[in-house]
Amino acid sequence: GDSVTQTEGQVALSEEDFLTIHCNYSASGYPALFWYVQYPGEGPQFLFRASRDKEKGSSRGFEATYDKGTTSFHLRKASVQESDSAVYYCALGMSNYNVLYFGSGTKLTVEP
Amino acid sequence: EAAVTQSPRNKVAVTGGKVTLSCNQTNNHNNMYWYRQDTGHGLRLIHYSYGAGSTEKGDIPDGYKASRPSQENFSLILELATPSQTSVYFCATGTGENTGQLYFGEGSKLTVL
Repeated sequence: GDSVTQTEGQVALSEEDFLTIHCNYSASGYPALFWYVQYPGEGPQFLFRASRDKEKGSSRGFEATYDKGTTSFHLRKASVQESDSAVYYCALGMSNYNVLYFGSGTKLTVEP
Repeated sequence: EAAVTQSPRNKVAVTGGKVTLSCNQTNNHNNMYWYRQDTGHGLRLIHYSYGAGSTEKGDIPDGYKASRPSQENFSLILELATPSQTSVYFCATGTGENTGQLYFGEGSKLTVL
C-alpha cells in the first residue's frame, strides 16, 4: 500500500545548526506530500504541502522539494532554534488528498 | 474561535469495558477523522467521515466503531477495550476541498488496564 518512511526517529541539534529530516514515499500513483509539526501537548498542525514533481513547499523557515525521481520529500531548515523542538511528520495523500497517511515521526530536540 | 474539542482528555478503562471518545468541531468542516498515535508507528488512521451519517474504515479499524450523528460530532467507540488499545487518540477535521490540510484536536490519552 501507499506509505511514507521517516528514517530518523530522533534528531538532536544545537541552535543555528542545519536540519535535514528524511522522508521517502511509496505510492502506486502520484501523491501529494505534506509536512506536519506537533509541539509538546498539542495536536499536529499543517506546515506545508507539495503536489507535483520539483515543487517546493515552505513555511516558517522550513522547506522541502518534491522529488519524484528519488521518491523523497526531505525537510530542511538552515538554522534551527530551540523553539523548533517538536515532532515532525511526513504524510502523503492520494487522489483527493482527503485521507492522509502519516510516517512514524521524527522527534527534533534543539539545545540552546 | 474555530476549534476541535475532544473529550475526555484522559481516560482509564478496564479490559472488556466500553469506551467512547467524543469529538466536537466548530470549524464547519465536512470531513472528520480519528487517528491513534503510538511511538514507532506515528499517526494511524482508524475511521473517518465525509459528513453526517457516513463513516469509513481507515487503516486499522478492527476493534473500533465510529459514529457521525451530526456535522459537529464524531465519536470513536471501543465496545470491548483491550490493553493494546492504550494510546493517544486524535480527532481531526478537514474541509473536504482536497487541500490535505487537517486540523487536529489536542488528543485523548486512553489507558486500558
